[in-house]
Amino acid sequence: DVHLVESGGDLVQPGRSLRLSCTGSGFTFGDHAMTWVRQAPGKGLEWVGLIRHKAYGGTTEYAASVRGRFTFSRDDSRNIAYLQMNSVKIEDTALYYCARGLQEEGRGYWFDPWGPGTLVTVSS
Amino acid sequence: DIVMTQSPLSPPVTPGEPASISCRSSQSLLASNGYNYLDWYLQKPGQSPQLLIYLASSRASGVPDRFSGSGSGTDFTLKISRVEAEDVGVYYCMQNVQFPYTFGQGTKLEIK
Repeated sequence: DVHLVESGGDLVQPGRSLRLSCTGSGFTFGDHAMTWVRQAPGKGLEWVGLIRHKAYGGTTEYAASVRGRFTFSRDDSRNIAYLQMNSVKIEDTALYYCARGLQEEGRGYWFDPWGPGTLVTVSS
Repeated sequence: DIVMTQSPLSPPVTPGEPASISCRSSQSLLASNGYNYLDWYLQKPGQSPQLLIYLASSRASGVPDRFSGSGSGTDFTLKISRVEAEDVGVYYCMQNVQFPYTFGQGTKLEIK
């Protein structure tokens, strides 16, 4: 059974850093891109970015709102994807989901399954 | 960035009746390979989003066949042939033809 679980969410002050983890099981983690999507309280979904799998160079894509502050990485030996959040802002407050990326025809990714999410609250 | 616009809040639907949700993109989602890069997700109350449809019309594994997706270019529709109580939640479309990927604002489905 394919399973994802996020961890690391916490209350953090503006300007500080936080690292989220996404641990996968039930599939070959290293064969898939991993994405991060966030949802501010009572709001819709916002795509944060993704990290491709090693066969595609492990390259990354970021939403403009987080580019330069957030960094994705992965440790395929441990089935973990990371989201390093630096210089956090009040508006980064959200439930952060990770999801496995699926792809055909060598192009866009769709996401399945999603983890339950981990809550990040940015407040002084 | 591609802007995704969904139909507004849908009126409550009677179980067994059909329902449809529309999604429009500000740019074409039709790629040179002939596929439309448009997905549909459902977020049930208190749950994580789940994939329903990918490539505009392909049903994800385990998704009931009462769900179907259609459309091409900039106009897409998710149809539920016979709504069931378990279908309540917020439906999101998402384009994945170019980065940054973008979601629609969501359409809430309520049951009478």
